[in-house]
Parts: sequence; C-alpha cells; structure tokens
Amino acid sequence: SQKIEQNSEALNIQEGKTATLTCNYTNYSPAYLQWYRQDPGRGPVFLLLIRENEKEKRKERLKVTFDTTLKQSLFHITASQPADSATYLCALDIDDYKLSFGAGTTVTVRA
Amino acid sequence: DSGVTQTPKHLITATGQRVTLRCSPRSGDLSVYWYQQSLDQGLQFLIHYYNGEERAKGNILERFSAQQFPDLHSELNLSSLELGDSALYFCASSAEGGLADTDTQYFGPGTRLTVL
Repeated sequence: SQKIEQNSEALNIQEGKTATLTCNYTNYSPAYLQWYRQDPGRGPVFLLLIRENEKEKRKERLKVTFDTTLKQSLFHITASQPADSATYLCALDIDDYKLSFGAGTTVTVRA
Repeated sequence: DSGVTQTPKHLITATGQRVTLRCSPRSGDLSVYWYQQSLDQGLQFLIHYYNGEERAKGNILERFSAQQFPDLHSELNLSSLELGDSALYFCASSAEGGLADTDTQYFGPGTRLTVL
C-alpha cells in the first residue's frame, strides 16, 4: 500500500542549529514533492516544491533534497530560530489532481 | 493571510445533524480542494473542484458532498454527523487544476467542527 512517513513526531533543537526532517515514501512515483508549514489551529502554508529531476532546492534558510532512488526527501532549516517552531508536512502528488500528506514533524526551537 | 476564506470558524453540533461549510477561493483561482484533518488521521484529501466541475475524489464519505458554484465559491455538506467527524476542515485553492507542478495550493484558516 502507499505510505508517506515523516521521521519523528517531534524534534527539539537549540536556536542556531540545523533541523533536518525526513520524508520517506513507498509505492509512489511522484513527479514532485512539496513541503508545508503548519502552525497550531491554522492552515498549512506552502514552502517549497522540488521536482523529481531536481536534487536540491533552496529558499533562504530552507533546503530540500529529493532522492527518487531512496524514495526520500530531506528538509533542512539552517540557523534555526524560535519563530521556526511549527509542524512541517511533506506532500506528494499521487496523480495530477491529488496531494497526499505525511503526518508531519513538529519542530520546537529553544532560545 | 492566504486570501482563502472559510466560514464558519467554529461549528458545534449534535450527532445525526447536517452542516454546511463554506469556502471562498483566492481571487482568480479556479480550483478548490477540501481536506479533513483529525488528530489520528492527519491531513486527508476529500475532493477537488475545478471551475465548477468535480475533478478528483479522495477518501470522502458518502455522507459528505460538495459543490462549486458559478462564482467559484464552494460548499462542503456533511450529513448524518458522527462523533468521528469532529475535525478541522480546510479548503485550499489554486490557480489552475493541478496540471502544473507549480500549481501551489493556498489553504484557508479552516473550520473546526465538533460533533457532540
């Protein structure tokens, strides 16, 4: 069956460090993968999209990698700040019109 | 602010009842998506409408239905409500119909439904 797994439910890190989140998937062949940020009680906010033929993409302090052989994406937040504390969701296109989301990883950045 | 609006923000009702959730997409967006988010299921895709027509269905129960109107706003109807339907319901919109991988979805603030 198709499955999307994000590494752990919670990640606690010290301000200034790099947070690394993992998204693994099975039985999918996505053309692209997206990362979203969700704050408690609010809707997800799009952060980054990476295509299957791209290895890495960056946006400010965010970096995403995509390895279709390993069926894995890594999401890095560098020089983390308390304002980065949120839940981060990965999402895969499962056909042209559907996105399937992982359960999310909650990141807490300590000052 | 994503530009997507949802009403009501909170809804408390009883089992067996029927409710309607409303979504207005961002100006110019043709697609509307509905998602359900509960603690144990995560964010689940329900249904997608593009320019008034149903485009894709996810794990949407038969008790749930949706439509998109000519002015592009959408309504999600939930009937014969059960305790397990308590969740956050999100609407998202995008410019096109998801045909382009750059067709970003913008999420609304959600409607929190509590079924007692």
